[in-house]
Amino acid sequence: EVHLLESGGGLVQPGGSLRLSCAVSGFTFSSYGMSWVRQTPGKGLEWVSSISGSDSSTYYADSVKGRFTISRDNSKNTLYLQMNSLRAEDTALYYCAKGDCGGDCYLTDYWGQGTLVTVSS
Amino acid sequence: DIQMTQSPSTLSASVGDRVTITCRASQSISGSLAWFQQKPGKAPKLLIYKASILKSGVPSRFSGSGSGTEFTLTINSLQPDDFATYYCQQYNSYSRAFGQGTKVEIK
Repeated sequence: EVHLLESGGGLVQPGGSLRLSCAVSGFTFSSYGMSWVRQTPGKGLEWVSSISGSDSSTYYADSVKGRFTISRDNSKNTLYLQMNSLRAEDTALYYCAKGDCGGDCYLTDYWGQGTLVTVSS
Repeated sequence: DIQMTQSPSTLSASVGDRVTITCRASQSISGSLAWFQQKPGKAPKLLIYKASILKSGVPSRFSGSGSGTEFTLTINSLQPDDFATYYCQQYNSYSRAFGQGTKVEIK
């Protein structure tokens, strides 16, 4: 059974940093692309970033490019999202999601339960 | 960027009803359309991809159709477990945008 568990969310001041983790099980992690998607009551669901399973190529939404870094450790079956220069508009529930392919998978087929990031002074 | 618009935003229905949700893309996305179901406090779950293909394990009362810019999700004989919010998502372009959601609530 596919399982994804996010952690690392919390309260951070504007301009601060946070690192999210997503531990996965139930599939061959290194064979699949992975994504981060965030959700807010106001803007709904928004794709944030993806990383391919095959060569760890990375992809970002314009709203986070240059501030967020996605990475993966295939030996630990774990996905990461390093978030720097955080802004109030980054406040959201962050989900990690499994792609349906090995590269930059635009389609995701399994999601974790999410971790809440709040950016506020 | 491609924009996705769902209608209605809220839908009131009874158990046993047939309900239809529409999703429109601002430009053609071919058949690259997925539908997700989300219940309160839970992660979205993939129901349908390629506009009409049911993910394994999804009840057959769910169906999807459409291509290009207009798509529909139909639930035949609505069950108590189906009261939730439904999102469409285009995965034809880099932005992979989601619709704003349709909440199916009990009438």
